[in-house]
Amino acid sequence: QVQLQQWGAGLLKPSETLSLTCDVYGGSFSYFYWTWVRQPPGKGLEWIGEINQSGSTNYNPSLKSRVTISVDTSKRHFSLNLTSVTAADTAVYYCARVGGDPGQSDAFDIWGQGTMVTVSS
Amino acid sequence: QSALTQPASVSGSPGQSITISCTGTSSDVGLYNLVSWYQQHPGKAPKLMIYDDFKRPSGVSDRFSGSKSGNTASLTISGLQPEDEADYYCCSYAGTATFWLFGGGTTLTVL
Repeated sequence: QVQLQQWGAGLLKPSETLSLTCDVYGGSFSYFYWTWVRQPPGKGLEWIGEINQSGSTNYNPSLKSRVTISVDTSKRHFSLNLTSVTAADTAVYYCARVGGDPGQSDAFDIWGQGTMVTVSS
Repeated sequence: QSALTQPASVSGSPGQSITISCTGTSSDVGLYNLVSWYQQHPGKAPKLMIYDDFKRPSGVSDRFSGSKSGNTASLTISGLQPEDEADYYCCSYAGTATFWLFGGGTTLTVL
């Protein structure tokens, strides 16, 4: 059974860099895209970006200039860096697998537990 | 590109059926068969309920069903149960410039 366990700093000051990592336990690490989604307090979900095992990335155009997603297949984890954070970046950040039918990347089928990141001076 | 449009709230009584709509455009919902639906209870991670417009993952109750007509996708929950009370989000693939769009979310209240 595939499980995602995410970790990283939960309190940042404005202008700092948000860094989170998501460890993947069980199942295949290959053949999938791996993604980050965030949710500001009391608000809806926002897709941040995704990466596959080869390091091919796709990003939300509204965040692209500040986001880097990387992957380490030997450690079976992928990471999110978001630079120059402001209070508007305060949110619960989730990692997830982009899965679906075998061999497809159609939906976010397995999620991490979420990490609350607060940006405050 | 704008988020997909969902009603802010819907409600129903136990045993009844409800439908949540998700309206996009001909560049996302209407173009790709890649609408998914997520259930989120307070303080919990979202859970995939429907993918590829109408497919149910293993373990999801058959009381949950998905459909689509044109640029609007729908999630129907039949035989409402108290544990269905949650927030529901739709999501659609939107092409290689935007990739994935979420709806604003719908709060379901089981009266």
